[in-house]
Amino acid sequence: QLQLQESGPGLVKPSETLSLTCTVSGGSISSSNYYWGWIRQPPGKGLEWIGSIYYSGSTYYNPSLKSRVTISIDTSKNQFSLKLNSVTAADTAVYYCAREGLASQNKNWFDPWGQGTLVTVSS
Amino acid sequence: QPVLTQPPSASASLGASVTLTCTLSSGYSNYKVNWYQQRPGKGPRFVMRVGTGGIVGSKGDGIPDRFSVLGSGLNRYLTIKNIQEEDESDYHCGADHGSGSNFVWVFGGGTKLTVL
Repeated sequence: QLQLQESGPGLVKPSETLSLTCTVSGGSISSSNYYWGWIRQPPGKGLEWIGSIYYSGSTYYNPSLKSRVTISIDTSKNQFSLKLNSVTAADTAVYYCAREGLASQNKNWFDPWGQGTLVTVSS
Repeated sequence: QPVLTQPPSASASLGASVTLTCTLSSGYSNYKVNWYQQRPGKGPRFVMRVGTGGIVGSKGDGIPDRFSVLGSGLNRYLTIKNIQEEDESDYHCGADHGSGSNFVWVFGGGTKLTVL
């Protein structure tokens, strides 16, 4: 059974860079059938997609965050990572990683998801 | 890109039925949406995908037969029959839009379902 687990600092100072890693177990991140995505949820608010990456390294990002986001992948470690720079209090959220199916296979949804990790931006 | 609108809350009694609604903004009546269940303190879980023709593909792993979907016009519905305590969750809808460098995922604000 595929599982995803987010890890990284729970507290980041304003203007610094938020860095998170998602470790995938029970399956290969190198599958050509999936993208791998990051989604966040500010406290008491809805979900916001951040961006996604393919095993080849191809990425696409939410235009509202694109200038500050970098997503990378390490197939040797079965991990993918998120970096969000110049953070402010508005970036405080629970950050989730998830597997994203392909539209070409009529499986364009996120499943499964990690349990999430809370990142607070504060000095 | 579409805007997805969900009522912030809903409630239903144990054993009853409830229908949750996700409304697409005007001009996007042909769009499909995904429903996700999020239990308290947990990550979301894929429920199923729905268009105007009903379910698209298969349900998520472990989703009971009590869950069903329909689509009509700009609305995408998730119906839960014989509600159980375990169904008390936030329910989110999401949709994909665009292609290539303009591709985005958008989500509604979520509906908190309370089981009475």
